Amino acid sequence: RKEVEQDPGPFNVPEGATVAFNCTYSNSASQSFFWYRQDCRKEPKLLMSVYSSGNEDGRFTAQLNRASQYISLLIRDSKLSDSATYLCVVNMRNTGRRALTFGSGTRLQVQP
Amino acid sequence: NAGVTQTPKFQVLKTGQSMTLQCAQDMNHNSMYWYRQDPGMGLRLIYYSASEGTTDKGEVPNGYNVSRLNKREFSLRLESAAPSQTSVYFCASSEDRNLPEGTDTQYFGPGTRLTVL
Repeated sequence: RKEVEQDPGPFNVPEGATVAFNCTYSNSASQSFFWYRQDCRKEPKLLMSVYSSGNEDGRFTAQLNRASQYISLLIRDSKLSDSATYLCVVNMRNTGRRALTFGSGTRLQVQP
Repeated sequence: NAGVTQTPKFQVLKTGQSMTLQCAQDMNHNSMYWYRQDPGMGLRLIYYSASEGTTDKGEVPNGYNVSRLNKREFSLRLESAAPSQTSVYFCASSEDRNLPEGTDTQYFGPGTRLTVL
């Protein structure tokens, strides 16, 4: 079983739609959580951190459910520029890991 | 600030050839990382360096060596390239302040696309 699992998609949605991605992680001791965005043939860039209480940044809302070991990302009012691959990322520092563990990504295609 | 820079951007090697991928960061970060990204596999950690002079293996270190030359630079060497090492290689760095939540943001370079024939 992968340590961080995501639905690869693609999710094809019209402009203005609301879309949600989920991600599950296997290690209950995981410490911190992130969503990164990766455009085609580019490097990953931090979209937002995910806090225990949930957090919002403009049209983006991230939630963490530690009991069920999943993280979600909600995008409201989708824009064409939101088309990208969204990577779920987990920090397992307290398990001895020094680096982040990445999911394979969920591809989003927003259509006009 | 340039952030994280990588050279070269593209490289084609023949099986058995060697090469070094260069990475530098100007953010005064303590930690640096090398990842490879393959279709459907996500990013996988090859090696990392928590500080100058220290390096540790990641998930897929076989066939690679690294050098943390100084705080700014972290290079990845392929001694004898194999077709299985065809991939996109990303270097990243982080401040690594050891704080609890929402930290350890990693900043990535633009990547090196390597093809081994």
